[in-house]
Parts: sequence; structure tokens; C-alpha cells
Amino acid sequence: QSVLTQPPSASGAPGQRVTISCSGTRFNIGTYYVNWYQQLPGTAPKVLIYRNTKRPSGVPDRFSGSKSGTSASLAISGLRSEDEAYYYCAAWDDSLSDSYVFGTGTKVTVL
Amino acid sequence: EVQLVESGGLVVQPGGSLKLSCAASGFTFDDYTMHWVRQAPGKGLEWVSLINWDGAVTYYAVSVKGRFTISRDNSKNSLYLEMSSLRVEDTAFYYCVKDTTSGYSGYEIGSFDYWGQGTLVTVSS
Repeated sequence: QSVLTQPPSASGAPGQRVTISCSGTRFNIGTYYVNWYQQLPGTAPKVLIYRNTKRPSGVPDRFSGSKSGTSASLAISGLRSEDEAYYYCAAWDDSLSDSYVFGTGTKVTVL
Repeated sequence: EVQLVESGGLVVQPGGSLKLSCAASGFTFDDYTMHWVRQAPGKGLEWVSLINWDGAVTYYAVSVKGRFTISRDNSKNSLYLEMSSLRVEDTAFYYCVKDTTSGYSGYEIGSFDYWGQGTLVTVSS
């Protein structure tokens, strides 16, 4: 149902780098800013990246965002056990009716 | 400290109605756009609706348009979501969410920096 597509899962060993993709269209990622959210088990989501590449204060620089055309990516370097969570991209979408949309979500597992 | 506290989640029959409330504190409520986001148990996030600072502008997800109404009372620092013609697929945790800006579409919209703990709406016969 979501217009932003993410891989359902990603994994890596501690210390490795993991990248999560978010694929959209010119009606969302291709035009508007992308934000990324982390949801730890049993908790509300937390913003990790806003406006494609910016980190809120308190978010480690191990997390980085990028955008190119109609796709965006979240990279986690120096993977740690506490990074095991769901990650969602999000953006404004004006394809059918103006709305905000989340990606399908990616579960990151630390091996 | 910013706090968002939702209430009103219940078990309701299909076709029924329900009104959710969110009490906000710790920030200047009428400076910001507010949102409702929901999450069905074990599923992903789904944006539901937004309302701008003075209530003049609202947007809805296609899945709820015409059935849900978002509103706010800045004098009470409160956000609301009136839900009608509820369907089984509306079953979810509903989160009250603060935007980082007063923007309400496109480039103006910000990110979601504070979330409530969620209130569970169950639609079942």
C-alpha cells in the first residue's frame, strides 16, 4: 500500500556498515525532503535523519542519510547491538492526493 | 519536557464511532503543526492526518478521508481525531505526533520530533 518501498530486512555484524534503501517516485522523494525514523521494540518512533541528510542533536554520526533522484538511503556504520530496530523512510507525496507517506519499513538485525 | 498523552482508545464495533484526544504540554502548542500516525499491531507506520497551527488546514490519508476528522483546541493544548464508519482495518495504535515546524505540506512540512505513547483502537464485532 505504501508508495515508498524498502527492503523488509537488513543485517550485519557488530562494527559493520548497513545501508537501507527507500525507493519512491518524482511525486515524493524526487521532489520533497526525506526523513528517517527508528523504532525500537515496544517504543514510539524517533527521528534519525531529517531533510535528507541532517541529524537531530543527540543522534550519533554513525547514522547518515543521502538522496539521489527518486531514491534515498540510510547508512548505519559501526553497527551496534542497540541499532537492532525497524527503520522507516518518509516524505510528502502529491501523486493522488496530498499526503505524507511512510516507507514499508526495514528490520535491521545485528548478527 | 514535551509530553503528548493520548486517550480514548477502545474496542468498538464495525461502523461505530470514536473520538481520540491528545493532551500536549511542554511546548507552545499553537506554534506547530500536529499529526496522527497509526500502526496496526505488528505492522508498519501509516500517516493518518495533519492539522496546521490554527486548524485552518487539514490533510488526510486516502484510507481515512471522509471518515475521520482532525481538530485542535489551542486554548486547551489539545488535539483530537474523530473517527466514524470504523472498519476492522482501522484497528491500530494511534499516535499523536508533533511536527518540528508550522508547515503543512510539501517542502514546508518538517519531521516528527515528539510522539505520544499511543492509544489502541480495536474495531471488532
